[in-house]
Amino acid sequence: GAVVSQHPSRVICKSGTSVKIECRSLDFQATTMFWYRQFPKQSLMLMATSNEGSKATYEQGVEKDKFLINHASLTLSTLTVTSAHPEDSSFYICSASEGQGLASQHFGDGTRLSIL
Amino acid sequence: RKEVEQDPGPFNVPEGATVAFNCTYSNSASQSFFWYRQDCRKEPKLLMSVYSSGNEDGRFTAQLNRASQYISLLIRDSKLSDSATYLCVVNVDSSYKLIFGSGTRLLVRP
Repeated sequence: GAVVSQHPSRVICKSGTSVKIECRSLDFQATTMFWYRQFPKQSLMLMATSNEGSKATYEQGVEKDKFLINHASLTLSTLTVTSAHPEDSSFYICSASEGQGLASQHFGDGTRLSIL
Repeated sequence: RKEVEQDPGPFNVPEGATVAFNCTYSNSASQSFFWYRQDCRKEPKLLMSVYSSGNEDGRFTAQLNRASQYISLLIRDSKLSDSATYLCVVNVDSSYKLIFGSGTRLLVRP
């Protein structure tokens, strides 16, 4: 089946560091990718929708200058958390859509970010 | 009010039991409905879509009541491996945007 690879799976870094997370679709072209964030015991919250070759669409309350998204190719989207602080510590998950229907969203295995 | 609401549980049941989870959604324009399963510290995985007429996949049965804006998931003959958090997921428009409930935790004991 379709596979979405997310890297790194775990990041621990100091406050003020910028962290880049990669999301790759390994065996299909993803015109649309999504970035979610999940705090402990809470639901996944959509942060932004990333479209290949165009600007990302951010959800209300998500700072676009804080969370930089780049979707330069049909198989790669990156999320950069700039100047991360402890409150940014969370589980970040991407998903990629093959464009054939809602059930075809495939999730990466997530990145656990811990800011000290 | 949350867009998708679920009882957080946990539901603690013995192996072989039948267990049911419910979910309500607030937007009457919601179009598509899903149940996902999420294991601890892992990504969510699609369990099944939910159709208006109700649908079954092995031990799992999903029901949708549009009038009451209510979705259910029934698990029969629970297995230890069913222990996970079950996420109710709704799509409102055709943009692929999914809205997740916070999940219901299931613990199946020997």
